Amino acid sequence: GDSVTQMEGPVTLSEEAFLTINCTYTATGYPSLFWYVQYPGEGLQLLLKATKADDKGSNKGFEATYRKETTSFHLEKGSVQVSDSAVYFCALNGGKGGSEKLVFGKGTKLTVNP
Amino acid sequence: DAGVTQSPTHLIKTRGQQVTLRCSPKSGHDTVSWYQQALGQGPQFIFQYYEEEERQRGNFPDRFSGHQFPNYSSELNVNALLLGDSALYLCASSLIDREDGYTFGSGTRLTVV
Repeated sequence: GDSVTQMEGPVTLSEEAFLTINCTYTATGYPSLFWYVQYPGEGLQLLLKATKADDKGSNKGFEATYRKETTSFHLEKGSVQVSDSAVYFCALNGGKGGSEKLVFGKGTKLTVNP
Repeated sequence: DAGVTQSPTHLIKTRGQQVTLRCSPKSGHDTVSWYQQALGQGPQFIFQYYEEEERQRGNFPDRFSGHQFPNYSSELNVNALLLGDSALYLCASSLIDREDGYTFGSGTRLTVV
């Protein structure tokens, strides 16, 4: 079945450092890809998404590009802030007309120190 | 505009008991999905409801059941609780065409002792 593998954490960075969290996936058809963020004690918030190959999702300085050839959707940010400290989840679903369930990776905890 | 509301926020139950969790979807959304998130893990899909019927189900036993009401709100019921059912239960609402994406609630933390 469909699956998502993401970089194990935790990841600890200093403020203004560059962030990369790797995510690869296995899926049939044409999945949509997502990054969700979970702050302590809260539910999931959609950070960005991409629905087809070569699409770039972006939000709040975060970016990820849908790479079908490498089945990847790596999350990047050029300069992290303390407020970015959270757990990040890569996820997919079946895309338009496909399965609606979201399949998540295990999450990567990011801590940004001042 | 209210997002997804879940109740209760925390719950402690004893093994063998039954529990009901509730979810009110975001205004305008007609579809509700439930996820189980064990500590340190990603959420796992339990099932999805639309038009008061279960549309899709994940790999969970029949002890997990649900319901959707005419106002689109939903309940998740778990019977014969096991210690392993301890988790954060997340509700997500959406439109059936998913144009608005998925909106998650803050979850119900269930502890089984």
